[in-house]
Amino acid sequence: DVVMTQSPLSLPVTLGQPASISCRSSQSLVYSDGNTYLNWFQQRPGQSPRRLIYKVSNRDSGVPDRFSGSGSGTDFTLKISRVEAEDIGVYYCMQATHWPYTFGQGTKLEIK
Amino acid sequence: EVQLVESGGGLVQPGRSLRLSCTTSGITFADHAMSWVRQAPGKGLEWVGFIRSKDYGETTEYVASVKGRFTFSRDDSKSIAYLQMNSLKTEDTAVYYCIRGGGGAIWGQGTMVTVSS
Repeated sequence: DVVMTQSPLSLPVTLGQPASISCRSSQSLVYSDGNTYLNWFQQRPGQSPRRLIYKVSNRDSGVPDRFSGSGSGTDFTLKISRVEAEDIGVYYCMQATHWPYTFGQGTKLEIK
Repeated sequence: EVQLVESGGGLVQPGRSLRLSCTTSGITFADHAMSWVRQAPGKGLEWVGFIRSKDYGETTEYVASVKGRFTFSRDDSKSIAYLQMNSLKTEDTAVYYCIRGGGGAIWGQGTMVTVSS
């Protein structure tokens, strides 16, 4: 199985400051069709996960543009340009290139 | 409005069975694969598997930990997806989410399954 490793696992951030989460996969996430199926999810306390980013860098509808995704191959990053109070929660990367699909351990973002 | 609503969760003894339903609205159900993801209390997410659409033969994929015990099915006429869980183990205790497709774009609110004697 592809192992997804996130860092950090805990991320205290001051409101208005940027935040960055790293996600590394144990093998390349480039699929045979040329796409890289790496997604990012946000799970606010008590809620279902919500997808923010798909195929590395595409924002889902309604996702604020302060969220951005980047990376390639085995190395990926989620960035929040200016953290707002509503951003608290756990963030997961997930690969859908290889079966079984796998998630990272999650990064808990909290406000300092 | 797109809605996915899971039901059928509850408390069940180890070794017993349970069937979850995912009732959908606002989507062209027949066109999409339907996935299931679970989350044990206080833990991360695990993609349990999915069932493809009729166009892809309604074929299924399962994570190793549930293979042979869990079965996905679907009723396109009712826009409902099912997860039949047999031989349940305590480690199957989790919130179970259904998801449209394999990319995670749309999730239900989840239903809690507790396996305990």
